Amino acid sequence: QQQVKQSPQSLIVQKGGISIINCAYENTAFDYFPWYQQFPGKGPALLIAIRPDVSEKKEGRFTISFNKSAKQFSLHIMDSQPGDSATYFCAARSVIRGYQKVTFGTGTKLQVIP
Amino acid sequence: NAGVTQTPKFQVLKTGQSMTLQCAQDMNHNSMYWYRQDPGMGLRLIYYSASEGTTDKGEVPNGYNVSRLNKREFSLRLESAAPSQTSVYFCASNTGTGWYEQYFGPGTRLTVT
Repeated sequence: QQQVKQSPQSLIVQKGGISIINCAYENTAFDYFPWYQQFPGKGPALLIAIRPDVSEKKEGRFTISFNKSAKQFSLHIMDSQPGDSATYFCAARSVIRGYQKVTFGTGTKLQVIP
Repeated sequence: NAGVTQTPKFQVLKTGQSMTLQCAQDMNHNSMYWYRQDPGMGLRLIYYSASEGTTDKGEVPNGYNVSRLNKREFSLRLESAAPSQTSVYFCASNTGTGWYEQYFGPGTRLTVT
C-alpha cells in the first residue's frame, strides 16, 4: 500500500524550463512534508520541507505548493539546470509514540537537457 | 564530521549466505533507520531505532534483524540471503523528536545470486 503517491516516474525538461513533480497522500496523521534530492550513487539529502498550515514555501528556485483540502503537494523547480538532474522523492511524516516516521513516494527521475 | 557512514559499499552474496551491514553516525543522533531502495518503489523502512536500546519493525522487516550496538552504531543482518533482498540499503539518522531532517549514508549495493 503506497501511502504517498508520486508522479511522474520520470521527467525530461529543457534547460531554463519549469520542472513539476506531484504527490498525493491519504493519511491525515501526516504533519510534515519534506522533499529529498538524490544524485546517482549517493544517499538522499533534504531539499526543502513544508508544514500543512502553509500553502507555499520557496527556497531559491525550488517551491513547494501545498493543498491541504485536496491532500496534494508539489515541487516546482524554476529555471531548471542540468545540475538539477537527479531523483526527487516527496515524503510525509507522522509521529508515532513520540518518534517520527517518514514515508517516501516512489521517486521521480529528472533529466534537464541543455 | 563524517556524518553517516556505511560499510561495505558493494557486496555480492550467494543465496543462503549471511552478512551484516554496518552503519555509524557521529552526529550524536538518537534515532537511526534502515531503508531499502528498489526501482519504482522508493525508500521503504526496514527497521528503526528510536533511541539507544530500542528497535522496532518498519514496513518490510521480514528476513532482516538489527542491533543498536550503542548510540553511534546500528547494524542490519541478513541471516539467509535471498535474491529478493537484492537492493540498495541506506542507513539514516536524526535527533528523533520535533522535525529534524534525516541524514542518509552513501548506501550499500547488495546483489544476491
